[in-house]
Amino acid sequence: DAGVTQSPTHLIKTRGQQVTLRCSPISGHKSVSWYQQVLGQGPQFIFQYYEKEERGRGNFPDRFSARQFPNYSSELNVNALLLGDSALYLCASSNLKGGNYGYTFGSGTRLTVV
Amino acid sequence: GEDVEQSLFLSVREGDSSVINCTYTDSSSTYLYWYKQEPGAGLQLLTYIFSNMDMKQDQRLTVLLNKKDKHLSLRIADTQTGDSAIYFCAETLGGSGAGSYQLTFGKGTKLSVIP
Repeated sequence: DAGVTQSPTHLIKTRGQQVTLRCSPISGHKSVSWYQQVLGQGPQFIFQYYEKEERGRGNFPDRFSARQFPNYSSELNVNALLLGDSALYLCASSNLKGGNYGYTFGSGTRLTVV
Repeated sequence: GEDVEQSLFLSVREGDSSVINCTYTDSSSTYLYWYKQEPGAGLQLLTYIFSNMDMKQDQRLTVLLNKKDKHLSLRIADTQTGDSAIYFCAETLGGSGAGSYQLTFGKGTKLSVIP
């Protein structure tokens, strides 16, 4: 079975632009979460979706939004990009509503804002 | 709020044991995880432990939990050069309520294995 897949793997954007990142969870997993990992730091929680509904949101501005589709894939959108948005964006899936048995992470999308 | 702390660096010789430490905040029911991240890669779940357990062993990995001190450790026996990576401690609350879906990570411990 394929693991969690994310696209694109790398992306360079200019300040003020908008970006969309995509994630396909493991087949059968209904929960998708997004994390931001700035260089040298641990991942920070952005969103969790379960059964197409937002179940949790981290401390991120409204420029960050996400959605989950009927096939459980997900998109993360970031508007009005800032230099500080440069990071590795990780998607994780789980077959449980909570993360009690651990999420499976994708390899991430490396976003560079110039 | 939740906070997870780890030492930032650890260097060991190949064949020795590595012990990576983590402290977590006060939660009545918590799952605790160890993730491994190799350069340029995502996170790989190594193991997890529920806060009512004291120890968990899985091949070369041993997790010890001291609930009184809220201290978690990961011991890697016979450390190999392929174990060089960043190791993250993370926690969630148990159940399915708010907080159970959010992983809170430490800043990671960079393990360097000297041949």
